[in-house]
Amino acid sequence: DSGVTQTPKHLITATGQRVTLRCSPRSGDLSVYWYQQSLDQGLQFLIQYYNGEERAKGNILERFSAQQFPDLHSELNLSSLELGDSALYFCASSVGGVRNQPQHFGDGTRLSIL
Amino acid sequence: DQQVKQNSPSLSVQEGRISILNCDYTNSMFDYFLWYKKYPAEGPTFLISISSIKDKNEDGRFTVFLNKSAKHLSLHIVPSQPGDSAVYFCAAGAGGTSYGKLTFGQGTILTVHP
Repeated sequence: DSGVTQTPKHLITATGQRVTLRCSPRSGDLSVYWYQQSLDQGLQFLIQYYNGEERAKGNILERFSAQQFPDLHSELNLSSLELGDSALYFCASSVGGVRNQPQHFGDGTRLSIL
Repeated sequence: DQQVKQNSPSLSVQEGRISILNCDYTNSMFDYFLWYKKYPAEGPTFLISISSIKDKNEDGRFTVFLNKSAKHLSLHIVPSQPGDSAVYFCAAGAGGTSYGKLTFGQGTILTVHP
């Protein structure tokens, strides 16, 4: 158990819809990361927050947005969903916000677009 | 543009023998490298890391080697055990404004046969 909690575990929805994925980091971790893993792909970095502030951004689509709240949990919002958005979405957390602090991953949210 | 590549999609070894997983990178700004292990239906788990100022780091049965001139790293598992069967991802991070952003390879499926 990594201590990172992601909900829901599975999400099935239709094209054009909007969903929210939630992540609770490990106790004491200030930084939260979001990754997308499509079929047969590695993990693609989307965005990083540190103590409520956006810290680094990857190739995140404009239809996607995220935030980190004062209690440090984070939400990833996906809107105008397309079939290609079907993927596993992982959240990770670390104590600080730099690369040499291992990130601890949740078990992911599997998003299926019908 | 894949900056981190794991060219072997799969590797099969016998229990007790050495497993060698390879990873190549192209971005010379990467200065920190990590290996993660992933079981089905779980998130990636941190295994071992190495800074670019070192060429070797060891932790129990796991050793990571870094060849900066070749932009190549490898993970050695000795001796391999059936419980090591999983997908292994290498990841790389840079300093500066990259903060905690990690770039992952596509993964190598390791199967250890009893």
